Amino acid sequence: DIQMTQSPSTLSASVGDRVTITCRASQSISSWLAWYQQKPGKAPKLLIYKASSLESGVPSRFSGSGSGTEFTLTISSLQPDDFATYYCQQYNSYPWGFGQGTKVEIK
Amino acid sequence: QVQLVQSGAEVKKPGASVKVSCKASGYTFTSYYMHWVRQAPGQGLEWMGIINPSGGSTSYAQKFQGRVTMTRDTSTSTVYMELSSLRSEDTAVYYCARVGIVLEGMDVWGKGTTVTVSS
Repeated sequence: DIQMTQSPSTLSASVGDRVTITCRASQSISSWLAWYQQKPGKAPKLLIYKASSLESGVPSRFSGSGSGTEFTLTISSLQPDDFATYYCQQYNSYPWGFGQGTKVEIK
Repeated sequence: QVQLVQSGAEVKKPGASVKVSCKASGYTFTSYYMHWVRQAPGQGLEWMGIINPSGGSTSYAQKFQGRVTMTRDTSTSTVYMELSSLRSEDTAVYYCARVGIVLEGMDVWGKGTTVTVSS
């Protein structure tokens, strides 16, 4: 199985900060990676697919990059609505796996 | 509008089975795969498996092999996830989520069904 490792696990940041979350795959997954945002008590929300494609309706301050085994999610200017937990997910092969999550907290 | 409506919360005893439903509307049911993902309290997301509503084929995570069954009813645009031999560690929120054939991520999710396993 492909293991997905996110870092950091927790991130403290202020409104307006540039935030970067990293996701590493245990083997190459090409660009078959998605990023999700989840708020407490809610279902996850798709932000990015195919490593760098922005889902319709998602603000342009979110961006994704990478291929192979290393990927990043960047929030260019953190907004109050962005404090949440973020997950990466590989869909190169079954079983589709998620990273352990990165919680973005208010500094 | 596109939505996935899941069945209500369940409380089960250890050893029992639970069957969760996910009714799709607003799109062509057979044009999207359906995945099941669960989340234990305070934990991350865990992929359980996939069903192709068109032909009914499935693929399950090894962890759930032998305990999980995913089925569909095309007449009602509903998929089902049944988990048997429940134990306390199966207490979680269970989500269904669709994925298009062109693999653009899980773009629509149900609100989740809470399953509590307790004696």
